[in-house]
Amino acid sequence: KNEVEQSPQNLTAQEGEFITINCSYSVGISALHWLQQHPGGGIVSLFMLSSGKKKHGRLIATINIQEKHSSLHITASHPRDSAVYICAVRYWSGGNQFYFGTGTSLTVIP
Amino acid sequence: ETGVTQSPTHLIKTRGQQVTLRCSSQSGHNTVSWYQQALGQGPQFIFQYYREEKNGRGNFPPRFSGLQFPNYSSELNVNALELDDSALYLCASSVFGGSEGYTFGSGTRLTVV
Repeated sequence: KNEVEQSPQNLTAQEGEFITINCSYSVGISALHWLQQHPGGGIVSLFMLSSGKKKHGRLIATINIQEKHSSLHITASHPRDSAVYICAVRYWSGGNQFYFGTGTSLTVIP
Repeated sequence: ETGVTQSPTHLIKTRGQQVTLRCSSQSGHNTVSWYQQALGQGPQFIFQYYREEKNGRGNFPPRFSGLQFPNYSSELNVNALELDDSALYLCASSVFGGSEGYTFGSGTRLTVV
């Protein structure tokens, strides 16, 4: 069974803290997507990566293909970072579609 | 360059009715994927269309059907609505096999009463 697991499910941080959200998956993937979903439902793509590391502003995403694990880091967190962060993977055997984790709900307190 | 547009944004239907949701894909994208997101859950894959052909289907009953038009826009149809169909329906467009991933619409919030 292809599964995508995220941890933690819920996370509360003080403004300025360094945050890490983890994603693990069960079989080989061709790509991994980190997404941000705000209340109301709109989803924004943050990163798509298949190896190594990507950085955009205060966000950093890394992936370890051998360990089947990815992390999303937020440096100097801010209340506007409060959202649900979702990891999604595209399996080599799963066609072109992405399979989603259940998300990590992040709340950053001023 | 326009993003992904979904319509309507909100919809209330009665159990047993039929509904059609619409999605226009981002310019340059040839693939549309539909997802159902229940409250507190991650999106669940319904199906995907690539160049007007279905390219994969998730674990949803035949009541869920769809199509893609030559301009790559897409429709999701749900017949015989059930209360459990109440959810956020998300459309995402992409380039098949591309490196940029999905662009999502804002979703259609369907409530079945």
